[in-house]
Amino acid sequence: EAQVTQNPRYLITVTGKKLTVTCSQNMNHEYMSWYRQDPGLGLRQIYYSMNVEVTDKGDVPEGYKVSRKEKRNFPLILESPSPNQTSLYFCASRPVSTDTQYFGPGTRLTVL
Amino acid sequence: GENVEQHPSTLSVQEGDSAVIKCTYSDSASNYFPWYKQELGKRPQLIIDIRSNVGEKKDQRIAVTLNKTAKHFSLHITETQPEDSAVYFCAALTGYSSASKIIFGSGTRLSIRP
Repeated sequence: EAQVTQNPRYLITVTGKKLTVTCSQNMNHEYMSWYRQDPGLGLRQIYYSMNVEVTDKGDVPEGYKVSRKEKRNFPLILESPSPNQTSLYFCASRPVSTDTQYFGPGTRLTVL
Repeated sequence: GENVEQHPSTLSVQEGDSAVIKCTYSDSASNYFPWYKQELGKRPQLIIDIRSNVGEKKDQRIAVTLNKTAKHFSLHITETQPEDSAVYFCAALTGYSSASKIIFGSGTRLSIRP
């Protein structure tokens, strides 16, 4: 089944403790991105990647890192999480030949 | 920078009535406008999209209209049903080729009253 997966789905952590949220897609999509969703703000792009080893900042990149060593994986790294990073995070992917994005199931992160 | 504004933020309609959600965008080069529906606790799902070379697109009870001159587009849901209750996001594709990105509106929470 073609899909985008994220892990973990729920995470509660404390300020300063490094964490990684994984994202994987099995559709051979070149383009992958991370969004955070906050009430009243919609979905805001954090980082995106156009292909392996090619990443770029979105609209709200501060406090986040990403890597794209393989085409299928695009992990989101929070080196030192803070409470203002408490949010719902979505990974998405699409082929560069089309504009239709496919979203992962989301990761609800709480930073205490 | 580019942005997409969406109104209203909340909308309550009687079951069977129509619902309209409106969005405006800032980048005149935008050429793709998807609409997503997000049910509680779920991921956003694409429900309809439109490209800049057409003015209207319809899929059963859902239609989207685009006015490129005014840079606004709208989602119309007719004969609303309880399962239409969700948050709806409009979006616009900005930029070029593989460097393009989707900018989302802030969302509309649609409630269908029985």
